[in-house]
Amino acid sequence: NAGVTQTPKFQVLKTGQSMTLQCAQDMNHEYMSWYRQDPGMGLRLIHYSVGAGITDQGEVPNGYNVSRSTTEDFPLRLLSAAPSQTSVYFCASTDRGNSYEQYFGPGTRLTVT
Amino acid sequence: RKEVEQDPGPFNVPEGATVAFNCTYSNSASQSFFWYRQDCRKEPKLLMSVYSSGNEDGRFTAQLNRASQYISLLIRDSKLSDSATYLCVVQRQLTGNQFYFGTGTSLTVIP
Repeated sequence: NAGVTQTPKFQVLKTGQSMTLQCAQDMNHEYMSWYRQDPGMGLRLIHYSVGAGITDQGEVPNGYNVSRSTTEDFPLRLLSAAPSQTSVYFCASTDRGNSYEQYFGPGTRLTVT
Repeated sequence: RKEVEQDPGPFNVPEGATVAFNCTYSNSASQSFFWYRQDCRKEPKLLMSVYSSGNEDGRFTAQLNRASQYISLLIRDSKLSDSATYLCVVQRQLTGNQFYFGTGTSLTVIP
């Protein structure tokens, strides 16, 4: 049981490049979400999904797209990277049957130059 | 106003000390409350949920005061391994379940 996996662990992009951060979970959780964590800001919700085919925006969605074609996978796409998107990105899945505990992936450290 | 506010610390305490962290939340419609622990350069992990009646897990005690919109975490007999950042998290139902994180309180336990 791997829990939540994220790839890559580290990434450096140039301004204007696009990329996809991968996230997968094997716990059959319906609810998944993407956060970014910046110093002094706490974790902020980018996008979330309540099930396959359903996604919605969180607090800071601009510059990011998501899709949810399967229960397991929830990729995050950066459309045109900007230095302001330098951050640590965490994917999480939520056990809605057990007091809403969130399980986080190990994170992706992204630097945009 | 931030959804969740925490004292960022840092808190530096000797082994064996008791330390308390506080957190306030701004939206009275918040439904569930949690403390997460985050080690340096790692992902957050659930420490404990917080219930209105208060709850205890070993050396950790969490309290919730809905009237004051205040959450606390008490750590007794601090261990070196308790050194981490503690995140206060609240959840409420909007179009989906949304979670709001405090910026975290840094704890270092000193030998």
